[in-house]
Amino acid sequence: GNSVTQMEGPVTLSEEAFLTINCTYTATGYPSLFWYVQYPGEGLQLLLKATKADDKGSNKGFEATYRKETTSFHLEKGSVQVSDSAVYFCALSAQNSGGSNYKLTFGKGTLLTVNP
Amino acid sequence: GAVVSQHPSWVICKSGTSVKIECRSLDFQATTMFWYRQFPKQSLMLMATSNEGSKATYEQGVEKDKFLINHASLTLSTLTVTSAHPEDSSFYICSARDRNILLEQYFGPGTRLTVT
Repeated sequence: GNSVTQMEGPVTLSEEAFLTINCTYTATGYPSLFWYVQYPGEGLQLLLKATKADDKGSNKGFEATYRKETTSFHLEKGSVQVSDSAVYFCALSAQNSGGSNYKLTFGKGTLLTVNP
Repeated sequence: GAVVSQHPSWVICKSGTSVKIECRSLDFQATTMFWYRQFPKQSLMLMATSNEGSKATYEQGVEKDKFLINHASLTLSTLTVTSAHPEDSSFYICSARDRNILLEQYFGPGTRLTVT
C-alpha cells in the first residue's frame, strides 16, 4: 500500500534559520505529492504540490522537489519566520485499487516552532 | 476560489446524544467529499469517502452505524455522530474534491467535538 514517512518533530528554529523537513514515500504507480500546513486550531491548507518527477512546487518561500529516484519530497525554506510556526504534513495522492478515487495518504506531521 | 466550510466549528454534547456536522463546498461542485478524524498532535485518519448520491465508503475499523454520512447534493455532506461517547471527542475535518480537478482536495476548517 501507499505510505508517507516524514521526519519526527518537533523542530525548533530561530527566525531566519534554514528549514528542511524530510519526506519519503512508498506508492504504486505515479502519485502526486503535496505539503499541507495546519495552523493551531485550523484545518489544513495546501502549501505546495508536484504532480510528476522532477517537478518543483513552491509557495511563500517554501520549496519541494519531486525526486522519483529517491522517492522523496523534502520541504525547504531558506529563512523561516515566526509566522511559519505550524504543523506540516507531507501527503501523496494516488488512485486506489478500484481506480475510481484518489485518496490522500498523510505523513504523521512535523511541528515547527520558530522563535524570534 | 475552492472554499470549503464546516459547521459548527465547535460543539459540546452530552454522552448518548447525536451531533451533526455539515461540510459545504461554497464555490464549486464536489462530487466527492472525505471525512477525517484527527487526534491531538497526530495525523489525519481517513474515516470515509462519500460520493454524491451514493452510499459512503468507510475505511476499515470505522463503524458506519455510528458515523452516518450523507452526501445529498453536490455542495453538502453531513457527518452524524450517533450516541456519542467521550472517546468520540476529536477534531473532525472534511475535504471536498472538485469534479473537474481529481487530484486535489480542499479542506474545511474542522469541527472540534467534545463529548461530556
